[in-house]
Amino acid sequence: NAGVTQTPKFRILKIGQSMTLQCTQDMNHNYMYWYRQDPGMGLKLIYYSVGAGITDKGEVPNGYNVSRSTTEDFPLRLELAAPSQTSVYFCASSYWRSETSTDTQYFGPGTRLTVL
Amino acid sequence: GENVEQHPSTLSVQEGDSAVIKCTYSDSASNYFPWYKQELGKGPQLIIDIRSNVGEKKDQRIAVTLNKTAKHFSLHITETQPEDSAVYFCAARGGGYQKVTFGIGTKLQVIP
Repeated sequence: NAGVTQTPKFRILKIGQSMTLQCTQDMNHNYMYWYRQDPGMGLKLIYYSVGAGITDKGEVPNGYNVSRSTTEDFPLRLELAAPSQTSVYFCASSYWRSETSTDTQYFGPGTRLTVL
Repeated sequence: GENVEQHPSTLSVQEGDSAVIKCTYSDSASNYFPWYKQELGKGPQLIIDIRSNVGEKKDQRIAVTLNKTAKHFSLHITETQPEDSAVYFCAARGGGYQKVTFGIGTKLQVIP
């Protein structure tokens, strides 16, 4: 299993440009997540999905959009990039069935995005 | 929503010494507490977790303790080694399906 894969690894955008960060998992997990990591700020949840066709906002959703058309893929769309979106973005997935689930999240390697 | 506080933000220890990282949480309904390790340039990886019905859990040199009354939990690493150098995140998940909330991370440096 490849686990969680993310592309691209690095990207530089100009202010106002748009892009899509790709995320794919091959573990048949039902839950998927997007986080951003800023220095000294930990991991902030942007959006998450509990299954194909279902998405919900996390802590910091403004400026982002997601879709989940398949179990495997969970792309993150940035519209009108701003310098405040300079960050490292991590996609993660987990399998949650019930409250007894340990819900281990498996993270991808991250995408380092710079907006200039 | 859940709020997780973690300290210290940085920690330096001599190789062979112990390291302790502490976290507190706000939601008394939280029932699952994972710890993640993030090495430079990589995504976080689960190293140990504990459920609210357990007070302590050990895995070789790593242990986690949970005090539900005080709403705090701690990571203990004994006999530290240079490869333990990384950023460690604590996290808490509320009852039912609630999103996992992460602490801000602790950068651990083990000095050879």
